[in-house]
Amino acid sequence: KNQVEQSPQSLIILEGKNCTLQCNYTVSPFSNLRWYKQDTGRGPVSLTIMTFSENTKSNGRYTATLDADTKQSSLHITASQLSDSASYICVVSDLKTDKLIFGTGTRLQVFP
Amino acid sequence: EPEVTQTPSHQVTQMGQEVILRCVPISNHLYFYWYRQILGQKVEFLVSFYNNEISEKSEIFDDQFSVERPDGSNFTLKIRSTKLEDSAMYFCASRISETYEQYFGPGTRLTVT
Repeated sequence: KNQVEQSPQSLIILEGKNCTLQCNYTVSPFSNLRWYKQDTGRGPVSLTIMTFSENTKSNGRYTATLDADTKQSSLHITASQLSDSASYICVVSDLKTDKLIFGTGTRLQVFP
Repeated sequence: EPEVTQTPSHQVTQMGQEVILRCVPISNHLYFYWYRQILGQKVEFLVSFYNNEISEKSEIFDDQFSVERPDGSNFTLKIRSTKLEDSAMYFCASRISETYEQYFGPGTRLTVT
């Protein structure tokens, strides 16, 4: 069964610190892997999208990596800000069905 | 910047009632989607819609659910007879083509009592 697992489930860090969120998936074949930021009660907003052939993609302070061989991805947040507090969701697009398969997310809280 | 909009932001309904959730996708987009997220759980795909017909649907999308694009701008999700377990956030998304990003709306929180 196609699955996307994320760790940790939740994370608390101090403002200004860096953090790395992990994603493991079993979706195969896949067309792309995305990281979304979801504020409480809001829709997901895309941060990065990577195809099979890409292994890193940056968007400001967010850097995503992808290892398609081990089926792992990470999202690194640099110099965290209070506004980074949100859920970060790893999403893999199934190449056969084009469906998006969502992970359970990592809930990040940034404290001053 | 254009965005997907959804109304209402919060809908409370009694079990067994019909509800219609409305979405206005970004104007030049051609592919439309509904997702739901039960509180504390992950986002789940419900249905995709293209060229005025359903292209994919999940096991969740049973006979109680239907989608419609009644005019050139709205995209609706109807639940015929709501159940308690239908309580969730419902997100609409759209994209211009298969190779482009999906843009999500802010969601409608549906509470079934």
